[in-house]
Amino acid sequence: EVQLQQSGAELVRPGTSVKLSCKVSGDTITAYYMHFVKQRPGQGLEWIGRIDPEDDSTKYAEKFKNKATLTADTSSNTAYLKLSSLTSEDTATYFCTTFHVGGYFDYWGQGVMVTVSS
Amino acid sequence: DTVLTQSPALAVSPGERVTISCRASESVSTLMHWYQQKPGQQPKLLIYKASNLASGVPARFSGSGSGTDFTFTIDPVEADDIATYYCHQSWNSPPTFGGGTKLELK
Repeated sequence: EVQLQQSGAELVRPGTSVKLSCKVSGDTITAYYMHFVKQRPGQGLEWIGRIDPEDDSTKYAEKFKNKATLTADTSSNTAYLKLSSLTSEDTATYFCTTFHVGGYFDYWGQGVMVTVSS
Repeated sequence: DTVLTQSPALAVSPGERVTISCRASESVSTLMHWYQQKPGQQPKLLIYKASNLASGVPARFSGSGSGTDFTFTIDPVEADDIATYYCHQSWNSPPTFGGGTKLELK
């Protein structure tokens, strides 16, 4: 069974960066496009972007193009989301998820809470 | 971006039938999917491509629709179904989610 294990909660200062990890087990990460989704407290789901670990190609939602950077390490079966120039608007839970060829997100990480506060 | 509109909340009683709607601002063919999210948990896929039941999901859940209008039904509702439900389209880029429909107990 495929499982996605995300890194632990982060408390970070405004203006800094944070790098979140998402480790895939039960399959090779190159079998999937890895997507990341943001959820602010009490709010809905917002797509950030995706990476193809096979060739490191990426695609981002317009509003995250200068905020998020996706990378992947096939040797450790791990995808990463780096968020830069953090503000209170970045306080949220971030999920990683695998994209099935049928067009839907089938496996999800447990989410990681990022709190931006001085 | 394709906007998906869901009613924000519905109150239900166990044993009832409940239907949640999702309207898209443009056609998404049948690439509409439904997820359940409980507090503190990740979303869980229930229905994919409008009407297909995900693996292990009870047959009480169903979906229908195409184009711009979709519905998601639980019949009958159980207490454990109290959660927020999101629709998600993947026909148009970028993928987008509805605002979520929170099911509450009457």
